[in-house]
Amino acid sequence: GAVVSQHPSRVICKSGTSVKIECRSLDFQATTMFWYRQFPKQSLMLMATSNEGSKATYEQGVEKDKFLINHASLTLSTLTVTSAHPEDSSFYICSASKGDFYGYTFGSGTRLTVV
Amino acid sequence: AQSVTQLDSHVSVSEGTPVLLRCNYSSSYSPSLFWYVQHPNKGLQLLLKYTSAATLVKGINGFEAEFKKSETSFHLTKPSAHMSDAAEYFCVVSEGSGNQFYFGTGTSLTVIP
Repeated sequence: GAVVSQHPSRVICKSGTSVKIECRSLDFQATTMFWYRQFPKQSLMLMATSNEGSKATYEQGVEKDKFLINHASLTLSTLTVTSAHPEDSSFYICSASKGDFYGYTFGSGTRLTVV
Repeated sequence: AQSVTQLDSHVSVSEGTPVLLRCNYSSSYSPSLFWYVQHPNKGLQLLLKYTSAATLVKGINGFEAEFKKSETSFHLTKPSAHMSDAAEYFCVVSEGSGNQFYFGTGTSLTVIP
């Protein structure tokens, strides 16, 4: 149990376009989902905390108008990178919890390349 | 304030020899500590976790870690490295309500045949 599906696994988009990444909890209801970003050779950095039915909480330095997060249901959170630029190219990964502190599950990640 | 320091950005070992990946943390409260592994283009996989129970924690694939409060360390070890252990390893700390993780910068493990 506790499977998180992230889609797509890879995406290439043109500069200026928007890209949506989905994070789904397949067999549990996730009250909270987290979005991380990983730059090459660096650790994961928390971007935002997504709570079902409310606005996401963004970490300092993360542009909320650029990285739109929607958590419309207990099984789905989406991250939309708007007006993408090459510097947005990165590995994005989500994690989800059903409320059990020890039960965080990570998605498989999305490799975004902006050309 | 909480932080995690992984002392080695890269570790290289020969197959069959021991693995030691070092992690130190700072935390204002009693932390929970985790080790995750990330293989190329894959998501994170939980290796093991410490949550205030036994200080020596056994995880999957033969890995274990020991929580040493006096040294604020949570080093990851394995007696004998396997080629499939080559990956990026992250030490992670969480505290309080546990709703947020803090990641170390990762250690890249290379296993030499």
